[in-house]
Amino acid sequence: AQKITQTQPGMFVQEKEAVTLDCTYDTSDPSYGLFWYKQPSSGEMIFLIYQGSYDQQNATEGRYSLNFQKARKSANLVISASQLGDSAMYFCAMRDFTDKLIFGTGTRLQVFP
Amino acid sequence: GAGVSQSPSNKVTEKGKDVELRCDPISGHTALYWYRQSLGQGLEFLIYFQGNSAPDKSGLPSDRFSAERTGGSVSTLTIQRTQQEDSAVYLCASSSQIRETQYFGPGTRLLVL
Repeated sequence: AQKITQTQPGMFVQEKEAVTLDCTYDTSDPSYGLFWYKQPSSGEMIFLIYQGSYDQQNATEGRYSLNFQKARKSANLVISASQLGDSAMYFCAMRDFTDKLIFGTGTRLQVFP
Repeated sequence: GAGVSQSPSNKVTEKGKDVELRCDPISGHTALYWYRQSLGQGLEFLIYFQGNSAPDKSGLPSDRFSAERTGGSVSTLTIQRTQQEDSAVYLCASSSQIRETQYFGPGTRLLVL
């Protein structure tokens, strides 16, 4: 069965430091997509970054990068130079062959000054 | 351009009443998805529309839930005879076509008393 696992319920990071949010996945489908979304307290899910299963290079979007290790089935999100506005819930998700998103349980990130 | 919009933003109803939740996808997006986010179940897929194809209803939790998409654009999720366990945030997302990034709306917070 397809599954996303986020083992960190909460993380703290100091402003301007980098932080890594962990995500592992399980699928037998050779073609899949991995996503990270940010959900601030307002509730909206904001798309951050995408990695395709056949992509050779790790995805990057500004301060966000995805550390994709296919053999280990991990897709960790790295946020560099954290800002106070990065405090939010972060969800890892996988798009399966049916095009649905399967979400992890999320990690609550708190950035402190 | 405008993102995905949902209405109402909040809905309080009494157990046993019917509710309708509306989603306006990003203009030109052919795929539309409904998800539910609740404390106990996390984020779960409900239903998916792609163009003129038959919708994928595999995530609907019971026959009290139904959805339609008119004219390939606006979608309405209907919950009949609401139960307290239906209380959740209902999120709508759209993508330009299948297997593309899904962009979410702000959600409708439903509380069933």
